[in-house]
Amino acid sequence: SSELTQDPAVSVALGQTVRITCQGDSLRNYYPSWFQQKPGQAPLLVFYDKNNRPSGIPDRFSGSSSGNTASLTITGAQAEDEADYYCNSRDSSGDLVFFGGGTKLSVL
Amino acid sequence: QVQLQESGPGLVKPSGTLSLTCAVSGGSISTANWWSWVRQPPGKGLEWIGEVYHSGKTNYNPSLMSRVTISVDESRNQFSLKMSSVTAADTAVYYCARDAGGFTFDYWGQGTLVTVSS
Repeated sequence: SSELTQDPAVSVALGQTVRITCQGDSLRNYYPSWFQQKPGQAPLLVFYDKNNRPSGIPDRFSGSSSGNTASLTITGAQAEDEADYYCNSRDSSGDLVFFGGGTKLSVL
Repeated sequence: QVQLQESGPGLVKPSGTLSLTCAVSGGSISTANWWSWVRQPPGKGLEWIGEVYHSGKTNYNPSLMSRVTISVDESRNQFSLKMSSVTAADTAVYYCARDAGGFTFDYWGQGTLVTVSS
């Protein structure tokens, strides 16, 4: 299967660390990308490939991957990190793109 | 800085054809990147529709490929989406995005809401 599975919702206390996970067979072949989406806005790339963070993204965002599971970690979550987070990857053929169902992050 | 801008009708009648264009500025579409369409129904997640390379090669979401055509116009630095036989289920915000080298979506358009209704 090329589907990507994410927990629907996760919460974290302000300043604490949270891990958002993404599972799927394609992750054995491809590193995922992670996107943050706030209401009414387009998705924003926050982490991709093995260890890449786009310019302007705080270093509290990091990623890791092992086997069929990838994680986006936010170390010291801030109020502005409250958003929906999506992972995405290609399937094993490289011809198809998939998104996870998204995780709604609440910062308490 | 690459910028993408979607344009097209915001209202399409059921059984009609949805047509959108994505204008690319700040960079050439004729580079080693894929150019994708992604949609998001109200209150739901992201769904990849398909992609086009500047050579014209395309890949499509299997669940939509019977109704979708994505094309590229290098002379105008833009690419387009056509989706036929639309229903209310196709109501969504439609985004165009650049898939840099086939690795990640690094630039997105602001999105355009298309409503399917009579």
